[in-house]
Amino acid sequence: NAGVTQTPKFQVLKTGQSMTLQCAQDMNHEYMSWYRQDPGMGLRLIHYSVGAGITDQGEVPNGYNVSRSTTEDFPLRLLSAAPSQTSVYFCASSTGTSNEKLFFGSGTQLSVL
Amino acid sequence: TQLLEQSPQFLSIQEGENLTVYCNSSSVFSSLQWYRQEPGEGPVLLVTVVTGGEVKKLKRLTFQFGDARKDSSLHITAAQPGDTGLYLCAGRSDMRFGAGTRLTVKP
Repeated sequence: NAGVTQTPKFQVLKTGQSMTLQCAQDMNHEYMSWYRQDPGMGLRLIHYSVGAGITDQGEVPNGYNVSRSTTEDFPLRLLSAAPSQTSVYFCASSTGTSNEKLFFGSGTQLSVL
Repeated sequence: TQLLEQSPQFLSIQEGENLTVYCNSSSVFSSLQWYRQEPGEGPVLLVTVVTGGEVKKLKRLTFQFGDARKDSSLHITAAQPGDTGLYLCAGRSDMRFGAGTRLTVKP
């Protein structure tokens, strides 16, 4: 059972470049989310989805786009990367939004030069 | 916005010592979760506390949810090097995390 799979593991971008961070889960979870983790700031919610076709903004959504065309996949798009987006990104999924366990991927370390 | 403040930010202790870390908020939470994160990995759930005053034990780890459901604590008895990691609390209702306590247990 693969759980939550994130690709790539590492990425270096130049300012202004675009890219997509991939996230896939094989647990048939309805809820998926993206977080970024920066030193001293914990995990901050970027976007989340409560099911296919439904997405919503978290606390730091600017500069990021998401879509949820299938239950399994929840890609995160950076349209024009900025150095402030240098961070470690985590995708998570769960069966719901109340009390259920969040399953996390192993993260993508992104550097924007 | 339900902000979660964790303290201390860093903690370094010797193997065998006891320790307590805290998660505090001015808001009431329907439930709180504690996660542990090791370097290069995503957080892993340790426990969910739901009822005010609730105490849960997981081997040498004891979790308590405050009576008013605004705070929580994690107590580790006889810490071991394997307990080293970043401990994060999360308010499950709005999916927000505290900044974490980075624990180092030296052999």
